[in-house]
Amino acid sequence: DGGITQSPKYLFRKEGQNVTLSCEQNLNHDAMYWYRQDPGQGLRLIYYSQIVNDFQKGDIAEGYSVSREKKESFPLTVTSAQKNPTAFYLCASGPTGKETQYFGPGTRLLVL
Amino acid sequence: AQKITQTQPGMFVQEKEAVTLDCTYDTSDPSYGLFWYKQPSSGEMIFLIYQGSYDQQNATEGRYSLNFQKARKSANLVISASQLGDSAMYFCAMREDLMDSSYKLIFGSGTRLLVRP
Repeated sequence: DGGITQSPKYLFRKEGQNVTLSCEQNLNHDAMYWYRQDPGQGLRLIYYSQIVNDFQKGDIAEGYSVSREKKESFPLTVTSAQKNPTAFYLCASGPTGKETQYFGPGTRLLVL
Repeated sequence: AQKITQTQPGMFVQEKEAVTLDCTYDTSDPSYGLFWYKQPSSGEMIFLIYQGSYDQQNATEGRYSLNFQKARKSANLVISASQLGDSAMYFCAMREDLMDSSYKLIFGSGTRLLVRP
């Protein structure tokens, strides 16, 4: 089945630790996105990528990093510089153009 | 700056009745797109319906329809014949074009819908 997978479902981070969230898609979409959702709020864009080996900062990129070495994969690293990382992280993908974005099931990140 | 406003934090509806979720938007771009997503308690964002700014007719997808009033800058979601499984958060979003021909979604704060049996 085609879709977007994210792992892990839950992730715990210790102070000063970097953690990496996985996002894989087999929909052959060019564009991939990372959003953050805080409780009771909508989503905000962290990073996006239109093509392999290229990515751009979104609205809240500070404390995060990404890579796009393969079309199917767009991992997000939450670095120790992100002082308030507790949130729900959603990965999305979509064909280049004006069509909709499709979302993965999300990863909940909690700080210990 | 583009903005989406959802003024209803929570809504109740009786099973089998219709319900309207409000969404207003603000943009100066003549070309834009509006989306509705459903987020159940599991967290996944499920795409429901899309309306382009130049579309002549209101979008419909099964029990979902979008009441698009361009002059009033509103894009309300109408769910007909509500079902218990419709209980979820609903987000209105607008496409914002970016410099490199890509786009991002601007989300409202959401409306929590509870369907009563």
